[in-house]
Amino acid sequence: NAGVTQTPKFQVLKTGQSMTLQCAQDMNHEYMSWYRQDPGMGLRLIHYSVGAGITDQGEVPNGYNVSRSTTEDFPLRLLSAAPSQTSVYFCASSVRADTDTQYFGPGTRLTVL
Amino acid sequence: TQLLEQSPQFLSIQEGENLTVYCNSSSVFSSLQWYRQEPGEGPVLLVTVVTGGEVKKLKRLTFQFGDARKDSSLHITAAQPGDTGLYLCAARTSGTYKYIFGTGTRLKVLA
Repeated sequence: NAGVTQTPKFQVLKTGQSMTLQCAQDMNHEYMSWYRQDPGMGLRLIHYSVGAGITDQGEVPNGYNVSRSTTEDFPLRLLSAAPSQTSVYFCASSVRADTDTQYFGPGTRLTVL
Repeated sequence: TQLLEQSPQFLSIQEGENLTVYCNSSSVFSSLQWYRQEPGEGPVLLVTVVTGGEVKKLKRLTFQFGDARKDSSLHITAAQPGDTGLYLCAARTSGTYKYIFGTGTRLKVLA
């Protein structure tokens, strides 16, 4: 199993550009989530999904969209990048929403100029 | 808003010393997790505690869940340089599938 994979590892955008961060897992996990990690602020939940076709907002959803058309994939879309979205983004998955054991991907480091 | 506060934020100690990291909240959680994160990588789960008063041991690491399930501690005995990293506590907010994370404790163990 590859576990949770994220692409790209690094990305530089200009303000106003859009892009999609990819996340995939091969463990047949129902629950997937996106976090951003900023210095001194821990991880903050952006969006999450309890299964294919079901998504919901986390703590900091503004400026981001998600969809979950398959169990394996959970892409995160930045609609119009802003410097405040410069961060490290982590995708995670778990067997079910209530199993409380999340497996994290290696992260995407995004810089918005 | 439910918060998880971790202390201390930074800790630099010599190899062989003991240390304790705390994770506190005013909210009650059904479970609490501890993760360790190394530079350039995602967090890796160390333990999940579920029952109030529960104590779990993982080699030199001892985790405790408070009796009221509002707080937790992580104690490391005889710290080693390999313990260096960012330690994060996390919990699922009650009645939801949303997880919150503490701000982390950055530990450096000097040889």
